[in-house]
Amino acid sequence: DVKVTQSSRYLVKRTGEKVFLECVQDMDHENMFWYRQDPGLGLRLIYFSYDVKMKEKGDIPEGYSVSREKKERFSLILESASTNQTSMYLCASTPPGANTEAFFGQGTRLTVV
Amino acid sequence: AQRVTQPEKLLSVFKGAPVELKCNYSYSGSPELFWYVQYSRQRLQLLLRHISRESIKGFTADLNKGETSFHLKKPFAQEEDSAMYYCALTLYGGSQGNLIFGKGTKLSVKP
Repeated sequence: DVKVTQSSRYLVKRTGEKVFLECVQDMDHENMFWYRQDPGLGLRLIYFSYDVKMKEKGDIPEGYSVSREKKERFSLILESASTNQTSMYLCASTPPGANTEAFFGQGTRLTVV
Repeated sequence: AQRVTQPEKLLSVFKGAPVELKCNYSYSGSPELFWYVQYSRQRLQLLLRHISRESIKGFTADLNKGETSFHLKKPFAQEEDSAMYYCALTLYGGSQGNLIFGKGTKLSVKP
């Protein structure tokens, strides 16, 4: 059973703090993704990674960075959290190749106050 | 640029009625399209993919390249179908593909 695990279900952080969201998958998937999910806006891709130490910007990378030091772990970093980054963050992973299923974590609800 | 369009934010039908959730895409290559579903308090999960041409939970979706559409259909909706539905497209650029989602349609099936 594929597992994508996000380290926190709920987080509350202060404006200006550096925030780390962690995601771990146990299926040896090459590709990993970070999305934010907002009502009426759907899922928007922040960053994705197709290999260790590789990363590519998605549609909304501003204010975020990522780290992929190990294949199973993909971290999303908010360098200086702002209130407009309050959202649900979803991590996903896929194996390589066409038409592969994406497996999602349970989500992290981040509130920046 | 919007690559996947789901025109309806909310779709409300009665139990037993047919349902169609619309999805249009813009992509110049050969598209790989999916429908994902998120039930209340559950993870987002794959419902079906166009390459499989399968029916899952009574849902089907046909890729129409001429109309660039991948609408999701079910002839008789059930209350348990109430959920958020996302259409998604795999884009290939650089070395690997990334998965792009539409804004989602909330389906509400009334008793």
